Amino acid sequence: EAAVTQSPRSKVAVTGGKVTLSCHQTNNHDYMYWYRQDTGHGLRLIHYSYVADSTEKGDIPDGYKASRPSQENFSLILELASLSQTAVYFCASSDDWGYEQYFGPGTRLTVL
Amino acid sequence: GDSVTQTEGQVALSEEDFLTIHCNYSASGYPALFWYVQYPGEGPQFLFRASRDKEKGSSRGFEATYDKGTTSFHLRKASVQESDSAVYYCALAPDTNAYKVIFGKGTHLHVLP
Repeated sequence: EAAVTQSPRSKVAVTGGKVTLSCHQTNNHDYMYWYRQDTGHGLRLIHYSYVADSTEKGDIPDGYKASRPSQENFSLILELASLSQTAVYFCASSDDWGYEQYFGPGTRLTVL
Repeated sequence: GDSVTQTEGQVALSEEDFLTIHCNYSASGYPALFWYVQYPGEGPQFLFRASRDKEKGSSRGFEATYDKGTTSFHLRKASVQESDSAVYYCALAPDTNAYKVIFGKGTHLHVLP
């Protein structure tokens, strides 16, 4: 069964601090994505990647960086965390474009 | 730009009621259309997809038909159960930008016993 795991599952960070969210997939998928979920906004795409060592900007990339060191791993980095980045973050993977995405369980990030 | 509109933010039904959640899209060509379901504390799960006009997708008693004429992909279920309570997302993958999937804002379904 397809599996996407995320760590940590929850995190409290201080404003201005650095935060790294990690995602690992065992699906052998080429495509990986980072979304944030906020009440009233649904899911919004932050960054995505379709090959290791390459990332692309999504719809709301400001304040976020991404890293794809291998096919299995995809990280989201907040260099200077801000209050507005408090949200639930989901990682997902897919076999190809236009195909279903498999989501991880999410990371609840609170920036104080 | 491409977009997905879900009309209902919240829907409240009783068990065995008929469900319709409306989804309309704006995109050129023939985007792939999806429905996802998200239960509390979990990530979204894929329900089904359709990629051609008049194609019907279905899973777990839910179904939707791709209608290019009305640019719609409405989710329906004949008889809902309390366990169907969740957030439902309509999404599209544009055929002009292969990697981006656009999600609607979601519809929260509450099914009362």
